[in-house]
Amino acid sequence: AQSVAQPEDQVNVAEGNPLTVKCTYSVSGNPYLFWYVQYPNRGLQFLLKYITGDNLVKGSYGFEAEFNKSQTSFHLKKPSALVSDSALYFCAVRDSYNTDKLIFGTGTRLQVFP
Amino acid sequence: GAGVSQSPSNKVTEKGKDVELRCDPISGHTALYWYRQSLGQGLEFLIYFQGNSAPDKSGLPSDRFSAERTGGSVSTLTIQRTQQEDSAVYLCASSLLRDTEAFFGQGTRLTVV
Repeated sequence: AQSVAQPEDQVNVAEGNPLTVKCTYSVSGNPYLFWYVQYPNRGLQFLLKYITGDNLVKGSYGFEAEFNKSQTSFHLKKPSALVSDSALYFCAVRDSYNTDKLIFGTGTRLQVFP
Repeated sequence: GAGVSQSPSNKVTEKGKDVELRCDPISGHTALYWYRQSLGQGLEFLIYFQGNSAPDKSGLPSDRFSAERTGGSVSTLTIQRTQQEDSAVYLCASSLLRDTEAFFGQGTRLTVV
């Protein structure tokens, strides 16, 4: 069965510093990987995805993520954090062998301090 | 429509009552998903539809929960004999293809008193 793990409940970073939010996955086939962000009292917004091709994918708001097949990871990164990036971040995966089921991680709360 | 629409946005119900939550996906999207989120926590998978069929119902917490989708469009999530632990935000999402992102509605906040 497919699964996704976000090992950190919370990540704290100072504004202007680089940030990383970790995600690992387990699938039977090829992974289709997604990152979403949820701001307080708002719905989930899509940030970026990896389907195939380049391992480094770029998305909205200056975020990027690196797909690493050998480590089964898809970590979210940003070179310089903003206070406005503070939110709840979710990693999600579909398994190419398992139709369209979309599973989310437990979420990581990112707190960027001025 | 322009986005995924969920109704009602808020629902307060008495323990033991039945409730129906509605999701109107983006037109043409074949996959539709239901999730539950408690107090800003993670997204608990409930069920998904491919067209009108539900290939995976494994996430439904109990037999009090059921869902259907008609015409490959609107879906209804029904909770019978609601309990206080059912209080949460119920989120619906839809997507077009397997390698495309899912778009989320604003959710229905259910409070069982």
